[in-house]
Amino acid sequence: GAVVSQHPSRVICKSGTSVKIECRSLDFQATTMFWYRQFPKKSLMLMATSNEGSKATYEQGVEKDKFLINHASLTLSTLTVTSAHPEDSSFYICSAITRGLAETQYFGPGTRLLVL
Amino acid sequence: DAKTTQPPSMDCAEGRAANLPCNHSTISGNEYVYWYRQIHSQGPQYIIHGLKNNETNEMASLIITEDRKSSTLILPHATLRDTAVYYCIGSIQGAQKLVFGQGTRLTINP
Repeated sequence: GAVVSQHPSRVICKSGTSVKIECRSLDFQATTMFWYRQFPKKSLMLMATSNEGSKATYEQGVEKDKFLINHASLTLSTLTVTSAHPEDSSFYICSAITRGLAETQYFGPGTRLLVL
Repeated sequence: DAKTTQPPSMDCAEGRAANLPCNHSTISGNEYVYWYRQIHSQGPQYIIHGLKNNETNEMASLIITEDRKSSTLILPHATLRDTAVYYCIGSIQGAQKLVFGQGTRLTINP
């Protein structure tokens, strides 16, 4: 299967600061990447869909000015949590889809964010 | 996307076959049934998917009923490492968006 990586795996930051999370497809080109958020004991919630070279599409209720998504290349998408608050603490997971592998969505290992 | 219904939890003995059911009575003709699992504190792992026919790969088998209203994921010889939350999702292949429900928490007991 295809490999998706995320960096960092965990991050702690102070309230008011911004945090950038990277998502990379390591062995394939991903025309579309997705960002999910998962709170403890809850299921994954899709935040946004990111297409290479175009603006991300955000799900209802997700603030696009707070969660900045950039998909500058076919192997990299970034999520920046701006002016982080403690309630932004969560597990952030990216995924990527590749047309070469039956258009199956493959997920990264996740990034655990703790905002103090 | 089709709504899916799964039991919240299941137990299985190590070495036995684990059979995880999923109901998707509203699935449309062009929607595939995808199975993912999530081991604690990790990203979801793709297992298998199918449209009409039964499918098998190195991880599992997927049995889809003829009317496509339900399916069963079979882990033939469960190990302790198969303990995870298993998600059954209906989605149009290539349409991209996956909607995760609560899944089934499978516990493999020694």
